[in-house]
Amino acid sequence: QKEVEQNSGPLSVPEGAIASLNCTYSDRGSQSFFWYRQYSGKSPELIMFIYSNGDKEDGRFTAQLNKASQYVSLLIRDSQPSDSATYLCAVTPDNYGQNFVFGPGTRLSVLP
Amino acid sequence: EPEVTQTPSHQVTQMGQEVILRCVPISNHLYFYWYRQILGQKVEFLVSFYNNEISEKSEIFDDQFSVERPDGSNFTLKIRSTKLEDSAMYFCASSASQGGEKLFFGSGTQLSVL
Repeated sequence: QKEVEQNSGPLSVPEGAIASLNCTYSDRGSQSFFWYRQYSGKSPELIMFIYSNGDKEDGRFTAQLNKASQYVSLLIRDSQPSDSATYLCAVTPDNYGQNFVFGPGTRLSVLP
Repeated sequence: EPEVTQTPSHQVTQMGQEVILRCVPISNHLYFYWYRQILGQKVEFLVSFYNNEISEKSEIFDDQFSVERPDGSNFTLKIRSTKLEDSAMYFCASSASQGGEKLFFGSGTQLSVL
């Protein structure tokens, strides 16, 4: 059974702080890793994707991947109240797949 | 900006009834998917569809479920005899090519089985 695990939270950070979200996955063969943001009652929205070990930055977001540890993280710098949402980690078995295995999500609350 | 459109946004049905959830993928897309999310739980993959046939399906996608692309624009999910546990948000998704970053999700249909 392929599993993706996340702390459910809520993770509370003050406005302007760095939010750190973590994810582990069980399938060592996983190749592609995604972070989605989901507001309550809405569909998932892609924030970041990463395929290779190391860091990938896009604006205020940085994704970090360590395949040896089967660990992927998302850092949000200068957190804003609008970042308050549930963040979903998702993995696929190869670089082309779109059959995601999602984690349960971490609820982030950014306090003004 | 093109988007994946799902109708209806909310559907209420009685247990044992058949429901059809409708999706209009983005027009030049070739790969189609259904996911579902039970309230408070994970988003779960149900089925993928390419070249007019199912390419992969999960354990959830049993004989009660079917998918169809009846014409050039619609992609439907049918649940033959709904159960209480089918109550969930159902998301359609599509992409023009493979690669997870290219997947677009629709806004979802909230299905409530009474």
